[in-house]
Amino acid sequence: SAVISQKPSRDICQRGTSLTIQCQVDSQVTMMFWYRQQPGQSLTLIATANQGSEATYESGFVIDKFPISRPNLTFSTLTVSNMSPEDSSIYLCSVETGSLRRTEAFFGQGTRLTVV
Amino acid sequence: AQSVTQLDSQVPVFEEAPVELRCNYSSSVSVYLFWYVQYPNQGLQLLLKYLSGSTLVKGINGFEAEFNKSQTSFHLRKPSVHISDTAEYFCAVSDASGTYKYIFGTGTRLKVLA
Repeated sequence: SAVISQKPSRDICQRGTSLTIQCQVDSQVTMMFWYRQQPGQSLTLIATANQGSEATYESGFVIDKFPISRPNLTFSTLTVSNMSPEDSSIYLCSVETGSLRRTEAFFGQGTRLTVV
Repeated sequence: AQSVTQLDSQVPVFEEAPVELRCNYSSSVSVYLFWYVQYPNQGLQLLLKYLSGSTLVKGINGFEAEFNKSQTSFHLRKPSVHISDTAEYFCAVSDASGTYKYIFGTGTRLKVLA
C-alpha cells in the first residue's frame, strides 16, 4: 500500500496567480499521476510524472499551464499557472504499487482549489 | 480506447435496503476493473478490483461486484446499506495490455436515507 500526503488541502487564489501543489509518498514509486476533478465531474488524467524525465501530458493539458516536477521517487509537484476561475477543481495525486502493474492506484486526499 | 458509463448520477436508498450501482464499459482489449469510493472532502479509496479469475469480487465494507464480460458490465452491490455508505462511487477501467491509464466513469452519488 501507499500513503500519500498532499499540500495544501485547499486554497483560494486570485486569478492570474500560480499555485504549487505538493505530493509526498511514504514509499518509492516509479510512476506518479496527477488528476483533475472539476465540480460535479469525474477524474481526468492531467499527466504522468516519472523520476528523471519530463512529464507526459494528456490531450488538452500543456506543460506551460501545468508544469510538473519529479525530483525523486517519493515526491512530485504540480503547478497551476496563470489561474482562471475555470481552473477551480480538485487536484489529486495518485501512485500505483504492486508487483503487477496497475493492481491498484492510491490517491491523495486532493487539493481543493478555488480561483476568484 | 476504453470508456466507462455510469448511468445513474444519483441513487437514493433507505438504510438497510439493498443497492446496485451500475457500471458498463467498452474496450477492444482485456481490462482491469475497479470501484472507488470518495467520501466528502476526501480522496479516493479502493473498494474492490477485478484483475482475473472469479467474476464475483468481494471488497471492503460489505460491497461486491460481478464482472460480466458478455454484457461488459461491472455492477457494484451491497445487500444492506448504512448511513455511512453515503458517498460518491466511481467505476474505473484500465487496459491489461501494457498502458497505465485509468479511465473513470462520471460517478454515482449514493445517498442513504434514514
